[in-house]
Amino acid sequence: DTAVSQTPKYLVTQMGNDKSIKCEQNLGHDTMYWYKQDSKKFLKIMFSYNNKELIINETVPNRFSPKSPDKAHLNLHINSLELGDSAVYFCASRHRDFNTGELFFGEGSRLTVL
Amino acid sequence: GENVEQHPSTLSVQEGDSAVIKCTYSDSASNYFPWYKQELGKRPQLIIDIRSNVGEKKDQRIAVTLNKTAKHFSLHITETQPEDSAVYFCAASKVDGGATNKLIFGTGTLLAVQP
Repeated sequence: DTAVSQTPKYLVTQMGNDKSIKCEQNLGHDTMYWYKQDSKKFLKIMFSYNNKELIINETVPNRFSPKSPDKAHLNLHINSLELGDSAVYFCASRHRDFNTGELFFGEGSRLTVL
Repeated sequence: GENVEQHPSTLSVQEGDSAVIKCTYSDSASNYFPWYKQELGKRPQLIIDIRSNVGEKKDQRIAVTLNKTAKHFSLHITETQPEDSAVYFCAASKVDGGATNKLIFGTGTLLAVQP
């Protein structure tokens, strides 16, 4: 009954490889996000999708390509991985409603680039 | 765009003492101010939030205050316990039902409660 689930939880890979992280939410929310948390714990927004449509792209490099096949899923594909991409990536969702600003986070996917 | 500053970056208190974490925001259009707690290796989770039409909100041992004029808001934890040890994030957002609403987080405060 996990509300926001991400896979994989851990990912270790070499520089230059391509990897994907998947996210699914069963809360019926219509807005989903990707956040990046670096080694200093800073939580930085990357992308936002609303009903499968890209709404926010916070000047993330083109190597990062989100895809939302439906409003319950938001995946993140990363090409040509670099050392600086090592971080924990959190998927989150919320309902687009004035009275419900709460973000529900997934458990995070820890990416380590060697 | 919105910018949120948070202080202190680390805070160590004795069990039973109070802890206060402060944040400032830049965008006067922001009207929603949540606080998230992130335990080691876990996801951030909402612990309390406040909207711009309210100056203070309390939930048991935690309280949040908001000063809209000064664009400050603070988290107060009383009677701290070891299980309060975590990283705490403040955040700010304009929430109006629009699709572009986004939550901008502060830099986090590592709270350590010493038994």
